Amino acid sequence: QKEVEQNSGPLSVPEGAIASLNCTYSDRVSQSFFWYRQYSGKSPELIMSIYSNGDKEDGRFTAQLNKASQYVSLLIRDSQPSDSATYLCAVISGQGNLIFGKGTKLSVKP
Amino acid sequence: NAGVTQTPKFQVLKTGQSMTLQCAQDMNHNSMYWYRQDPGMGLRLIYYSASEGTTDKGEVPNGYNVSRLNKREFSLRLESAAPSQTSVYFCASSELGFYNSPLHFGNGTRLTVT
Repeated sequence: QKEVEQNSGPLSVPEGAIASLNCTYSDRVSQSFFWYRQYSGKSPELIMSIYSNGDKEDGRFTAQLNKASQYVSLLIRDSQPSDSATYLCAVISGQGNLIFGKGTKLSVKP
Repeated sequence: NAGVTQTPKFQVLKTGQSMTLQCAQDMNHNSMYWYRQDPGMGLRLIYYSASEGTTDKGEVPNGYNVSRLNKREFSLRLESAAPSQTSVYFCASSELGFYNSPLHFGNGTRLTVT
């Protein structure tokens, strides 16, 4: 069974700090990786996608991918209370299935 | 532009009752999906439709049926609801397939089976 693992949290950071969210996956041939944000009671929304090793930046968000170590991370700089949500890591496995992690709950304290 | 629209938003069923969850997208996407989300279990794929006229089982298809009525609409049917089907159900669509094509989710249906 291919898996995507995330620390469930909650991860608590003060406003203005960097939040670091991590995700590991078991399928070595996975090629596509996504981060979704889900506010409480709402649906998931895509915030980042990454396909190559290294960093990808989009505003305050940076996704990092290391295929050799099989992990992908999401950094949120200058965290705001509005960033408080559950962040879902999703990976496309070698068989073409999109597998979601269970999510990490982030709380940004004012 | 409404995106992905799901109805109803909330539903309470008694064990053994049947119902159909409706989903429609107005983005001209080819692929549509049904997920369920349970506490501690994450999002799990029930069924998907890679294109109009095709449907395939996902990770947890038992107790469900689907219909891809046309390119816009993809419905999920519970023939005989069970308490284990209490969950939040999300419909999603993507322009192409899973690869390089992000999912757009509807607002969800919160289903309780008593």
